[in-house]
Amino acid sequence: EAQVTQNPRYLITVTGKKLTVTCSQNMNHEYMSWYRQDPGLGLRQIYYSMNVEVTDKGDVPEGYKVSRKEKRNFPLILESPSPNQTSLYFCASSPGTAGGTEAFFGQGTRLTVV
Amino acid sequence: GQNIDQPTEMTATEGAIVQINCTYQTSGFNGLFWYQQHAGEAPTFLSYNVLDGLEEKGRFSSFLSRSKGYSYLLLKELQMKDSASYLCAANSGYSTLTFGKGTMLLVSP
Repeated sequence: EAQVTQNPRYLITVTGKKLTVTCSQNMNHEYMSWYRQDPGLGLRQIYYSMNVEVTDKGDVPEGYKVSRKEKRNFPLILESPSPNQTSLYFCASSPGTAGGTEAFFGQGTRLTVV
Repeated sequence: GQNIDQPTEMTATEGAIVQINCTYQTSGFNGLFWYQQHAGEAPTFLSYNVLDGLEEKGRFSSFLSRSKGYSYLLLKELQMKDSASYLCAANSGYSTLTFGKGTMLLVSP
C-alpha cells in the first residue's frame, strides 16, 4: 500500500531533550516536506527536500533540522525542543518537483514539549 | 510574498450545496489545490486546478480564475461526513505548497 509513515504518532517530551520524528515513504517520491499545524495558523512548511542531499528552508525553519540521506526517509530533528514547538506535525511527499503533483501526507505526530 | 485567504467557518444543512471561497496572492503560481482534513487526521487530496474553469468530480467541484486570484470549492448534496476542514493551497513552483488557514465546515441534520 502506498503510504507515508511517521513515527511516533504521539510524543510528550521535556524542554531541551533532543528528539527525532521519522518519516518514510514507499512511493519513490522525489519531493518531501515537513509542516506544522497550529490552531488559527494552518499548515506552515518547515523544511522541504527536492531530492537526496537537497534540502531547503520553508517558512518556519527555526529550531528544526532535517536530513535526506536516502530517497525514502526524511527525518525531522529538534535539537533542543521548546514549548513553542508543541504542535501537530505532518510529513508529506509528492512524485516530482514539477508543479501540480498531489502531496500525500503522513498521519501526523502530535508533539507536546513541557 | 504569499497570502491565501479563506473563511474561517461555514455551516450548512445536510443535502444542501455550499461554496467555499479562496483568494490567493503568490509569487509564482503553478496551480491551486483543495484538501479535506477531518479533525486530528491527515489532509487528503480533493482537487487541482491550473487552468481557468470548473473541474467536476462527483459531488465536489472546484473553480479557478487565475486573473482574479480566486478559487472556490463547491460541495453538493452535503452529507454529515463532509463536516471537516477544507484547505486551499497554492502551488508556487516545484512542489511547494502554501496553505490557507482552512475553512471549518459544519454540516447539521
